[in-house]
Amino acid sequence: AQSVTQLGSHVSVSEGALVLLRCNYSSSVPPYLFWYVQYPNQGLQLLLKYTSAATLVKGINGFEAEFKKSETSFHLTKPSAHMSDAAEYFCAVSEGGAQDTGRRALTFGSGTRLQVQP
Amino acid sequence: DGGITQSPKYLFRKEGQNVTLSCEQNLNHDAMYWYRQDPGQGLRLIYYSQIVNDFQKGDIAEGYSVSREKKESFPLTVTSAQKNPTAFYLCASSMGPGEQFFGPGTRLTVL
Repeated sequence: AQSVTQLGSHVSVSEGALVLLRCNYSSSVPPYLFWYVQYPNQGLQLLLKYTSAATLVKGINGFEAEFKKSETSFHLTKPSAHMSDAAEYFCAVSEGGAQDTGRRALTFGSGTRLQVQP
Repeated sequence: DGGITQSPKYLFRKEGQNVTLSCEQNLNHDAMYWYRQDPGQGLRLIYYSQIVNDFQKGDIAEGYSVSREKKESFPLTVTSAQKNPTAFYLCASSMGPGEQFFGPGTRLTVL
């Protein structure tokens, strides 16, 4: 079974500072991993995805994440925070992963709310 | 424009009432999903369908029902058996095991 742990339900950074949102996963198969962003009362928008190609994945809005198999981690980073980055961020793992088995549903972490201080 | 639409955006339910949430996609995706979002709990899978005329229970299916008569439509009914239905409901679709595309959500409140 898959699971996702996001350390820190709330993270606060200053504008221009480094953003680091942590995600650790467990998976019985080679995983597909995702980061989504959610603004208040909206759906989820994909930031980036890891699907067993390059371990350093670049996404939209200057975000990137690195897949580290030995640490079972997929942390999200951005070198310089902007006020518009304030939102909730979800890490997710695809059930069945690269083997494409089972439900193909996503298992989500509980989310990290990012605040950006001026 | 291709995408997923959900309606209504806000829905209010009285005790003992069934309500239906609409989800439509024009992405030609085979698979569709319903998730429930509660504060601090992430998203949890209610039902999913990988092909027309077939659907399966997710992790929290009790008190919910779905149908999949058309590829582009996957409505969710919240029945009176669901004791705590107040939540944000998200519909998603995908083609294969990759990313899922999400609709804008429906916020359901019990009066």
